[in-house]
Amino acid sequence: GESVGLHLPTLSVQEGDNSIINCAYSNSASDYFIWYKQESGKGPQFIIDIRSNMDKRQGQRVTVLLNKTVKHLSLQIAATQPGDSAVYFCAENELGTYKYIFGTGTRLKVLA
Amino acid sequence: KAGVTQTPRYLIKTRGQQVTLSCSPISGHRSVSWYQQTPGQGLQFLFEYFSETQRNKGNFPGRFSGRQFSNSRSEMNVSTLELGDSALYLCASSINRVGGTGELFFGEGSRLTVL
Repeated sequence: GESVGLHLPTLSVQEGDNSIINCAYSNSASDYFIWYKQESGKGPQFIIDIRSNMDKRQGQRVTVLLNKTVKHLSLQIAATQPGDSAVYFCAENELGTYKYIFGTGTRLKVLA
Repeated sequence: KAGVTQTPRYLIKTRGQQVTLSCSPISGHRSVSWYQQTPGQGLQFLFEYFSETQRNKGNFPGRFSGRQFSNSRSEMNVSTLELGDSALYLCASSINRVGGTGELFFGEGSRLTVL
């Protein structure tokens, strides 16, 4: 398939283990954050979002943590599965700008 | 509900030519955004439209332009193509949130190769 990023940081985890993907965002005025998953040859897919008035949000097998003090986001995936193998991007949005700034991405490889 | 549809999926052009890419948003979504994705630069914002008005534009040369129609469908155009314009062009639609853009729903992209 098409290569999303040739030299992305890669996180390799064993199937069944938990994964933690980190992201440093750039704009202290950003108030809405999203994690996206992109599989080879596809567009990014929404995983989970969080607003700046929260520091944690949980979904199905995923948790997002937001630390505004150090401008840091993390995505935790519980019981990682082979289908979780993909590139993960964080995206930030500042109200009124109508655009998202995307992180560089992290490639997640799940080892059987 | 149908997702975001982009056409064409793949195209090859030569330097100096121009290209038009099309995007049909999810029904009911009035905000359409375009992003360029390359291995070196990642996902870069091109522009965003809402009700036929461009509300923001990224740091791209004037060769990159776009428009939105009354039915929310959008097109982007790149004129005088350069080798560096080779990329995956992603369209995303969203439901507007007050004062901003909501969650982006992406299409599969249009893969442009410039020779």
